[in-house]
Amino acid sequence: NAGVTQTPKFQVLKTGQSMTLQCAQDMNHEYMSWYRQDPGMGLRLIHYSVGAGITDQGEVPNGYNVSRSTTEDFPLRLLSAAPSQTSVYFCASSHHRDGVSRKLFFGSGTQLSVL
Amino acid sequence: QQQVKQSPQSLIVQKGGISIINCAYENTAFDYFPWYQQFPGKGPALLIAIRPDVSEKKEGRFTISFNKSAKQFSLHIMDSQPGDSATYFCAASGDFGNEKLTFGTGTRLTIIP
Repeated sequence: NAGVTQTPKFQVLKTGQSMTLQCAQDMNHEYMSWYRQDPGMGLRLIHYSVGAGITDQGEVPNGYNVSRSTTEDFPLRLLSAAPSQTSVYFCASSHHRDGVSRKLFFGSGTQLSVL
Repeated sequence: QQQVKQSPQSLIVQKGGISIINCAYENTAFDYFPWYQQFPGKGPALLIAIRPDVSEKKEGRFTISFNKSAKQFSLHIMDSQPGDSATYFCAASGDFGNEKLTFGTGTRLTIIP
């Protein structure tokens, strides 16, 4: 199994540009999420989804949009990139509330630089 | 936003020694406490997790100690090896799934020969 696949691995944007980070999982997970990782701040939740057609905001949602049209895909859109969005972005998925294991499976990340 | 406080920020341990990373939480509704391990250039991966009905969980060289009254939990790595050098994150969530999973700020562990 491929697990959680993120593309691209690296991206450089200019301030004001828009782009979409792609995330796909092949484990039939109901729950998918996006985190950003910044030095000294750990992993902060941007947006999440508990199923197709259902999305909600996490801790740091401003400047980002998401949609979930299928179980497999959960793209993250940067509407107008700002230098403050320079970060490493991780997509993660899991079964939702299965009561036994809440193991999150992470992708390998996208390193984004906004100039 | 619920908080999980992690310390130290960085840790250097000699090969064969014991590495200890500590976390404290505030929300008494938390009932799931995982530790994630992250190697450079990779995404975090679940290492070990504990529920508050036990005070300790051991998997190989990795042990979680849990103190419910103090609202603290810690990761102990016995016989630390250079391959354990990584960043470690503690986290916590309640019975509402991963949408409320809160991570600590991470500890960069370096094991020296």
